[in-house]
Amino acid sequence: TQLLEQSPQFLSIQEGENLTVYCNSSSVFSSLQWYRQEPGEGPVLLVTVVTGGEVKKLKRLTFQFGDARKDSSLHITAAQPGDTGLYLCAGRPLETSGSRLTFGEGTQLTVNP
Amino acid sequence: GAVVSQHPSWVICKSGTSVKIECRSLDFQATTMFWYRQFPKQSLMLMATSNEGSKATYEQGVEKDKFLINHASLTLSTLTVTSAHPEDSSFYICSAQKDQGTDTQYFGPGTRLTVL
Repeated sequence: TQLLEQSPQFLSIQEGENLTVYCNSSSVFSSLQWYRQEPGEGPVLLVTVVTGGEVKKLKRLTFQFGDARKDSSLHITAAQPGDTGLYLCAGRPLETSGSRLTFGEGTQLTVNP
Repeated sequence: GAVVSQHPSWVICKSGTSVKIECRSLDFQATTMFWYRQFPKQSLMLMATSNEGSKATYEQGVEKDKFLINHASLTLSTLTVTSAHPEDSSFYICSAQKDQGTDTQYFGPGTRLTVL
């Protein structure tokens, strides 16, 4: 059972389009992180959302944390080729002990010029 | 900042040899570090959790004797792939937790291991 369902898994769009990536769970999370990873490199932290209902913006990226802290979304406005990469959501369900993170399956985004 | 480095960035070795990968937190102390394995176009798969001064906690299905983890200091953890075989070829990534109160992990740049 995948604790964090991430969708879509693959997304290919044209430059200038908007897109949304979803991360859903039946579990409550203390926080959720979003990472972007480029080929041959490690994931880079984009944002951590902590409070239910929280909205954070990072230039053209908007992150939302659901009110119940069970889901999150990443919206990119006017996507650019430089946004291409693997987007990962991750978090630790409150019901689990320890410090290990649960990762979504990832969204491979390709933005074509 | 929260910078994590890995060395080497890539390594090619012969089957049967051992390879050591280092993970360092450069500007913070990390009591907990993590080792992941990643296959192309897939998400990260946690191999083990490494705590400074104690034995690593391995995930189910990960061979402890094959993937030796040592966390000797608050800034260094090592992963040794012993008697490597071609099926061990993969992208290995470490991460470190900066603050005990948060779940955020900071990742190294990864190590590409190719076993011939």
